[in-house]
Amino acid sequence: GEEVAQTPKHLVRGEGQKAKLYCAPIKGHSYVFWYQQVLKNEFKFLISFQNENVFDETGMPKERFSAKCLPNSPCSLEIQATKLEDSAVYFCASSQSRVRSTEAFFGQGTRLTVV
Amino acid sequence: GEDVEQSLFLSVREGDSSVINCTYTDSSSTYLYWYKQEPGAGLQLLTYIFSNMDMKQDQRLTVLLNKKDKHLSLRIADTQTGDSAIYFCAESPTNTGTASKLTFGTGTRLQVTL
Repeated sequence: GEEVAQTPKHLVRGEGQKAKLYCAPIKGHSYVFWYQQVLKNEFKFLISFQNENVFDETGMPKERFSAKCLPNSPCSLEIQATKLEDSAVYFCASSQSRVRSTEAFFGQGTRLTVV
Repeated sequence: GEDVEQSLFLSVREGDSSVINCTYTDSSSTYLYWYKQEPGAGLQLLTYIFSNMDMKQDQRLTVLLNKKDKHLSLRIADTQTGDSAIYFCAESPTNTGTASKLTFGTGTRLQVTL
């Protein structure tokens, strides 16, 4: 597709439940990034992929968070046993290659509310 | 570590120019970006500048980079009500190009009044 598609737009989970978010990058883009936007607009980098391989996971919490990008499937970000502080908007972005221009295209985000 | 700072709020009258400022600490920053976020929406890339440039102009947008002071600014000429949004500056380090993560500033909310 021509845009980064994130689903669902909104997700409500009770504390302790699992949350799974999906991202379909732009066709032909090799890199996928996940960011978390919390209160006060702060963006936190979580993880990036080069195709199906983890490229940089320095922002991923050690527990409860996992992510995958499998061939022919949307990428996913999964949070096990959600906590109130996981409430945020999760953005996915994709970019084309290391060599070409540096633009990363962002999806519309998934708003996760943990109650 | 990297740190990117912005003022939180700016109010301008329609038709005036807006200047949004950003400071960063990472001296290895190679790419510096300006993104716009409208309410409930994702991030829209407005423009970017390489660290070997001082200025970049794109229609109503002018980006100025003072690498010595690590200061980046975005000037919007003839500001319109549709420019009301939150503006984020972001930087990424050298060497890793488009694969590198972005470090975002805290965002500046621009309010355009009639």
